Amino acid sequence: DTGVSQDPRHKITKRGQNVTFRCDPISEHNRLYWYRQTLGQGPEFLTYFQNEAQLEKSRLLSDRFSAERPKGSFSTLEIQRTEQGDSAMYLCASSLGAYNEQFFGPGTRLTVL
Amino acid sequence: TQLLEQSPQFLSIQEGENLTVYCNSSSVFSSLQWYRQEPGEGPVLLVTVVTGGEVKKLKRLTFQFGDARKDSSLHITAAQPGDTGLYLCAGNAGGTSYGKLTFGQGTILTVHP
Repeated sequence: DTGVSQDPRHKITKRGQNVTFRCDPISEHNRLYWYRQTLGQGPEFLTYFQNEAQLEKSRLLSDRFSAERPKGSFSTLEIQRTEQGDSAMYLCASSLGAYNEQFFGPGTRLTVL
Repeated sequence: TQLLEQSPQFLSIQEGENLTVYCNSSSVFSSLQWYRQEPGEGPVLLVTVVTGGEVKKLKRLTFQFGDARKDSSLHITAAQPGDTGLYLCAGNAGGTSYGKLTFGQGTILTVHP
């Protein structure tokens, strides 16, 4: 049973560049979530997919952020025109059960210079 | 907006001591989860509680969900250095926010040998 995987683990970019992160959920899980975590804080919800449908988006997700899950399996999170404030750990989680137990990947650490 | 307040924010204790971490909200949650996170990694699910008044034990860890499903606690007996980490509580409101977990800000636990 492989867990949630994320790629890359670390990304350093310059302000204004676009970045894309990938998340592969646990294979039978139909729900997929993206969160953002800054130092000293708990994760903050960004968006949620059930299969390929994006059902909820946080107001934290500005127009520069877009997420997709085209075939209901892996998901991508793209940030356009990155800003220094985008520097954070981006976490992906997946779930299947009725009580929404979410299993997290190792995260992608983004540093915007 | 639902908020979860965790206390204390920092806890530094000696090996063998007991400790309790609290997670409080004014909102009702359909379920509540506790996670442990190591630096540079994603949160790891410890337990899910769903019934008011529920108590779950995981070796030296005891989790309790409040009767009104607004608060929870994590008690660790005879703490060990391996318990060191960031402990997070996260609530699922259910209903139209079914997919979203609201996290507390976390408790950083350090257990000294």
